[in-house]
Amino acid sequence: NAGVMQNPRHLVRRRGQEARLRCSPMKGHSHVYWYRQLPEEGLKFMVYLQKENIIDESGMPKERFSAEFPKEGPSILRIQQVVRGDSAAYFCASSSGQVKAATNEKLFFGSGTQLSVL
Amino acid sequence: EDKVVQSPLSLVVHEGDTVTLNCSYEVTNFRSLLWYKQEKKAPTFLFMLTSSGIEKKSGRLSSILDKKELFSILNITATQTGDSAIYLCAPKGGGSNYKLTFGKGTLLTVNP
Repeated sequence: NAGVMQNPRHLVRRRGQEARLRCSPMKGHSHVYWYRQLPEEGLKFMVYLQKENIIDESGMPKERFSAEFPKEGPSILRIQQVVRGDSAAYFCASSSGQVKAATNEKLFFGSGTQLSVL
Repeated sequence: EDKVVQSPLSLVVHEGDTVTLNCSYEVTNFRSLLWYKQEKKAPTFLFMLTSSGIEKKSGRLSSILDKKELFSILNITATQTGDSAIYLCAPKGGGSNYKLTFGKGTLLTVNP
């Protein structure tokens, strides 16, 4: 009964390097969401993807951040040229997309990736 | 801008106590409200509330929504040390039917 799987759990990068965060949704789920949690802050929506489609990226910084959810394989959140302010916990959630009224969709979260930028 | 305020920010109780956690929200086009428990890292789903006045229960936890007054409460009776966690409230809305707006959470500590 695998839930949402994220890896790595911890990622350390130096300023200017690239960070790649992976998320495999729950079995049977085709919708993926990325959220970011800064210290002392609530989780903030970043992006919503379905297979091969970005549905809503309104919460993503315009530069350096990108996300994909290919037909095969996990969803990837990519941060290029990381800066100290990118240090945060990045959470992935998934939902089935099968509930008739999307309002009633429940989101299930992974354990997150803690990104530390030195 | 959508806003969620949870109170108290932190709470320390003894095992066996009953606690009430509060969540007030201002969200455009409100759809539903979800509660999560965050231990260590992974937020774990607790409840989803869509209608006012209908209490959801799961063991010692229960929750209710008031859509007119824009708040929800989470009750935990006979608390146990395993209930220690951050409890997150997240209404869904804000112009979409999928986007959750999270509060900062209530940190509950249950001492033996």
